[in-house]
Amino acid sequence: AQTVTQSQPEMSVQEAETVTLSCTYDTSESDYYLFWYKQPPSRQMILVIRQEAYKQQNATENRFSVNFQKAAKSFSLKISDSQLGDAAMYFCAYGLDDKIIFGKGTRLHILP
Amino acid sequence: EADIYQTPRYLVIGTGKKITLECSQTMGHDKMYWYQQDPGMELHLIHYSYGVNSTEKGDLSSESTVSRIRTEHFPLTLESARPSHTSQYLCASSERTRPPYNEQFFGPGTRLTVL
Repeated sequence: AQTVTQSQPEMSVQEAETVTLSCTYDTSESDYYLFWYKQPPSRQMILVIRQEAYKQQNATENRFSVNFQKAAKSFSLKISDSQLGDAAMYFCAYGLDDKIIFGKGTRLHILP
Repeated sequence: EADIYQTPRYLVIGTGKKITLECSQTMGHDKMYWYQQDPGMELHLIHYSYGVNSTEKGDLSSESTVSRIRTEHFPLTLESARPSHTSQYLCASSERTRPPYNEQFFGPGTRLTVL
């Protein structure tokens, strides 16, 4: 069965610094999607970044980038130049067929 | 503008009442989902639908029921609300005909409190 593990329940980073959120997953499939979602306090869940497993190049969206290690089944999210608006719960997710499996989330605090 | 809507955003209700949480999307997506999430905690899939007249139970057992009579509409009903139903309910949808097939778009959520 597919699982998604986020080993850091909470993290803090100083404003303008860089932070990396960890995520590992377990699957026997070769082609799938991986996602990072952001859920700000009392606000809508939005997609931050996606990665297709057969693409070796790491996805990047402005200040957000991933380190995708397929053999290690690792999918970490790096946030550069952290901003106060980055404070949120971040969910790593694995997509296969019609469903997404979410990790338990990492709460990110931004320190001014 | 294509989006996914949920109403009400907040609901406080007494035990035993019947409630329906509304979810509508204007993106033309076939697949829709309901998640239950305690604030700041993980998401639990409680119901999903592949299209009209299709409904399936999710990974977390729930006393709620759903229906899918129209593509854009996926309401969730609790026949008799209890304090244990207090939670946030998130609706989501995804595209079925082009990749990424499982990327989900979320509504703003309904925060339910049962007294």
